[in-house]
Amino acid sequence: DVVMTQTPPSLSVAIGQSVSISCKSSQSLVYSDGKTYLHWLLQSPGQSPKLLIYQVSNLGSGVPDRFSGTGSQKDFTLKISRVEAEDLGVYYCVQATHFPYTFGAGTKLELK
Amino acid sequence: EVQLVESGGGLVQPGRSLKLSCLASGFTFSNYGMNWIRQAPGKGLEWVASISSSSSYIYYADTVKGRFTISRDNAKNTLYLQMTSLRSEDTALYYCASLGYWGQGTLVTVSS
Repeated sequence: DVVMTQTPPSLSVAIGQSVSISCKSSQSLVYSDGKTYLHWLLQSPGQSPKLLIYQVSNLGSGVPDRFSGTGSQKDFTLKISRVEAEDLGVYYCVQATHFPYTFGAGTKLELK
Repeated sequence: EVQLVESGGGLVQPGRSLKLSCLASGFTFSNYGMNWIRQAPGKGLEWVASISSSSSYIYYADTVKGRFTISRDNAKNTLYLQMTSLRSEDTALYYCASLGYWGQGTLVTVSS
């Protein structure tokens, strides 16, 4: 199984601050079609997960451009510029290149 | 508006069975692969099973293989998860998801 190592496990931030979350996979996430199925999700408190970024760097529907995703092969980063209160919650990376799909352990973003 | 509405959860004794349903609307269900993903209380996300758009390809997590069966009825826009030989460790909120869209989840509690 592909192991997804997500860091840090938690972040304490001030509104307006920028933060980055790292996700590293134990093997390449490039699929045979050339695409990389690494996605980022946000689970706000008491809510279902929501897709933020798909295929490394593509913004999900309605997601503000304060969110950006970069990376390739086995090393990926989610950046949030100018954190807002609505951004608080738990962020997960997920790989959907290889079965079984696997998730990072999550990064909890809290207000300082 | 895309909606995924799960149902069928509840309290069940160990060893018994339960069938979850997920009614999809707002998108062409028959064009999408679908997944069941679960979240144990206070824990992260765990992929359970996937089914391709035409049911040609089906995959299971090792933890549920042989006990759970994923299926779909494209005419009814509905995804199913038949769960048998339930264990306490299957206790979780079960989400129906395409990864891009998530339902609100249905809670399965396995306890005597």
